[in-house]
Amino acid sequence: ETGVTQTPRHLVMGMTNKKSLKCEQHLGHNAMYWYKQSAKKPLELMFVYNFKEQTENNSVPSRFSPECPNSSHLFLHLHTLQPEDSALYLCASSQLPSGGSSSYEQYFGPGTRLTVT
Amino acid sequence: GQQLNQSPQSMFIQEGEDVSMNCTSSSIFNTWLWYKQDPGEGPVLLIALYKAGELTSNGRLTAQFGITRKDSFLNISASIPSDVGIYFCAGHDGNTGKLIFGQGTTLQVKP
Repeated sequence: ETGVTQTPRHLVMGMTNKKSLKCEQHLGHNAMYWYKQSAKKPLELMFVYNFKEQTENNSVPSRFSPECPNSSHLFLHLHTLQPEDSALYLCASSQLPSGGSSSYEQYFGPGTRLTVT
Repeated sequence: GQQLNQSPQSMFIQEGEDVSMNCTSSSIFNTWLWYKQDPGEGPVLLIALYKAGELTSNGRLTAQFGITRKDSFLNISASIPSDVGIYFCAGHDGNTGKLIFGQGTTLQVKP
């Protein structure tokens, strides 16, 4: 596998379900991100993890719970979602400044298309 | 918060035509990035710009980092049907460390 992978690619869930989205990056990066992409809206940053530590929570409702067990894996746990949470959820990674090379370029996975019924 | 104005919102052009789109900001950015997103996929990085005035090409794509550091444009020459998609600009805010995305330009190419 190369780049950033996300599973599942499509997910349909009821409002009472619990599910998890998974992201894995194979780029050796030290930062990972969750974005929400809704129709007709710019990408919305949800969470940032830098060296496995959460450094950003962009006022995201608690029904979204991120987990970053190591610098290569990122999860988004979903619980009692609302229909308006239906969107494309994108994971990205980048190499933030750390004693040498750095880049603000973020590399995205293919996304999980989530539908909440 | 910071916002990027990306224009045009959409374009419908004939195959072979050149395309130009741009992004402007009220604030200074230290990095500009251009992405393309195909339907059902994540954005793919096309070009990264790090210096004011920098002009960078990637095949038929050319992008420039505005001299004021508040704008950037992307040109596509001799468009082909596979150029169809949504193009996003993104600026890196050195103060917050965040990437700020434009609303996207939807490009359609008629064969």
